[in-house]
Formats: sequence, C-alpha cells, structure tokens
Amino acid sequence: GAGVSQSPRYKVAKRGQDVALRCDPISGHVSLFWYQQALGQGPEFLTYFQNEAQLDKSGLPSDRFFAERPEGSVSTLKIQRTQQEDSAVYLCASSLWDRGGNQPQHFGDGTRLSIL
Amino acid sequence: SQKIEQNSEALNIQEGKTATLTCNYTNYSPAYLQWYRQDPGRGPVFLLLIRENEKEKRKERLKVTFDTTLKQSLFHITASQPADSATYLCALGTGGYNKLIFGAGTRLAVHP
Repeated sequence: GAGVSQSPRYKVAKRGQDVALRCDPISGHVSLFWYQQALGQGPEFLTYFQNEAQLDKSGLPSDRFFAERPEGSVSTLKIQRTQQEDSAVYLCASSLWDRGGNQPQHFGDGTRLSIL
Repeated sequence: SQKIEQNSEALNIQEGKTATLTCNYTNYSPAYLQWYRQDPGRGPVFLLLIRENEKEKRKERLKVTFDTTLKQSLFHITASQPADSATYLCALGTGGYNKLIFGAGTRLAVHP
C-alpha cells in the first residue's frame, strides 16, 4: 500500500516569502506528526494532530509556523515570512493510535526547504 | 537538562562482524524506546520498539536491549552487511500520543 507522501520534495524560496508543505498520511492513521531535521541531527518534534485536532504545537519555533489538518487526513505546514534559519528538511509521520502511544511512526521522505 | 546521546563518531566495521550502537539518555523516563534507520535523502524507517518493562527484543539479525537503571539502550546488528550502512536513530517515547524525542543518530559504515 501507499506510504506517507510529502510534496514538494524540494522547495527553494527567497527570504520573506511564504511556503506551504503538504503531507498525505497513510489512510486510516489517526496520528500525524511534523518534525524538522537539521543537517547531521535527528528529527525534532514540531506539532501533533489526532484526526483534525491539533493537540500539541509546543515544538513550533515561532508564530510564523502554522499547521492544519482540516479533515483529519491531509496536513499542511505553512511557514510565513521565511527566514534563513528555517532551512531544513521537514518530515511528516503518521501512525495508528493506542492509549499507550507505543506505535511505530511511518515517515515520508520529507521536503528539503532552502531559504535564500 | 534532558539529553539523548548516541555515538557521535561514525562506526566503521568489517562485513560479517556485529555492530553495536549505543543510546544513552538523562532526565527522561521513557515508556518505550524505538530505533529507526535513515538513508541519505530519505525519511526514517522503523526497525524495533522496546517497552520499559522489556529487557531485550529481537528481529532477524537485529537485537535491542533497554536498561532503565543505566538509562541506556544498545542496538546490535549481527552478521553485518554493506547494505546495513546507514544512520541509525534512537527515539524515546513518553507515552500518551506517541511523541518521540530523537537522538542525533549514529552513522554506520560496513566495509566488504
């Protein structure tokens, strides 16, 4: 079956522009996560959705970052007025949900964002 | 402060040997720990999950241990192959909705 799909794979934007990154999770996965990965580092948590509800946005670096999942499937991460420090790979992951939370996460291949 | 440490240097081993990767953590009380593999330009791929009440888990050539007293997990790949060359990430889960905290990863290179 299809895995997690992210688009675009690469995005180049000028400083100050707005960008939107899309994530198509695995069908039926309740949980959806966004992570930011800098070069040579592990993924860092940004935000979590359970269906359409954004339950945790504690990792979003600033109010320029906004995420939504309006129908509980596709999610979009938007970055307004991009800065050079926003350059990174943005990963989306989805998983099944259980009370203990110990489910494998399925990752997309990410969007590599470069801000000039 | 909270910290997750993995071998920062790349690990180079000969084909056929056992690779052992370390994940140490401080100031966390994880309910479980997961290991992922990441190839260049790709997203992480799940390998194994071990819960806090489990000491060891195996899957084919992979073995993971979890010592909550030492605050350490060891990840072993036996009979390593060049195709095992990748970056391996450990991730702590604190329960609830499965939020993961990742280490920086260890790069493994298996030489023929």
